[in-house]
Amino acid sequence: GAGVSQTPSNKVTEKGKYVELRCDPISGHTALYWYRQSLGQGPEFLIYFQGTGAADDSGLPNDRFFAVRPEGSVSTLKIQRTERGDSAVYLCASSLSSADTEAFFGQGTRLTVV
Amino acid sequence: KNEVEQSPQNLTAQEGEFITINCSYSVGISALHWLQQHPGGGIVSLFMLSSGKKKHGRLIATINIQEKHSSLHITASHPRDSAVYICAVRSYNTDKLIFGTGTRLQVFP
Repeated sequence: GAGVSQTPSNKVTEKGKYVELRCDPISGHTALYWYRQSLGQGPEFLIYFQGTGAADDSGLPNDRFFAVRPEGSVSTLKIQRTERGDSAVYLCASSLSSADTEAFFGQGTRLTVV
Repeated sequence: KNEVEQSPQNLTAQEGEFITINCSYSVGISALHWLQQHPGGGIVSLFMLSSGKKKHGRLIATINIQEKHSSLHITASHPRDSAVYICAVRSYNTDKLIFGTGTRLQVFP
């Protein structure tokens, strides 16, 4: 497809389990962003990749959160030992470069930890 | 204080009304984005601005870099405009997008 694709669209998991959320950016986009949006809030920055490397991971809330982008395209956000407070919509966005270029968003993954 | 502030937080309007949503920011930016988010849906980029004014259909976005302020205007509003409108700025220093908390707009027929 032409847009940013995120899978799964919904994920329900038990507290303490491990989850992986996937983002397929638009082909050729070197910049990729992960955000988390809690109910009624604006998106909150988690991590930003430029190519394969994490240029800024200052938004990751703790060491249970980790993200990779091994080939500079698809990215996976990994959450270990999930907690109920991790429940949110996780959004991925990509842009052609990190400069003044438009960001395109995926539909998000709604994570519910029960 | 948030680095990006939007007002109002909630807005209701009758169909046909002219609507203005405001965004103020406190950081140096390279660009400002206006985004639209429908309930249960993803985020759609409406505008990206670094100066001046842009128009697309019934939507107009303006930015004043000196005053660190932007406005999104909707002319002849329609119920299908009902959504959350989010202002986001790209930090000049870090390149990451910083989001406002959004303005929830409801337009009634």
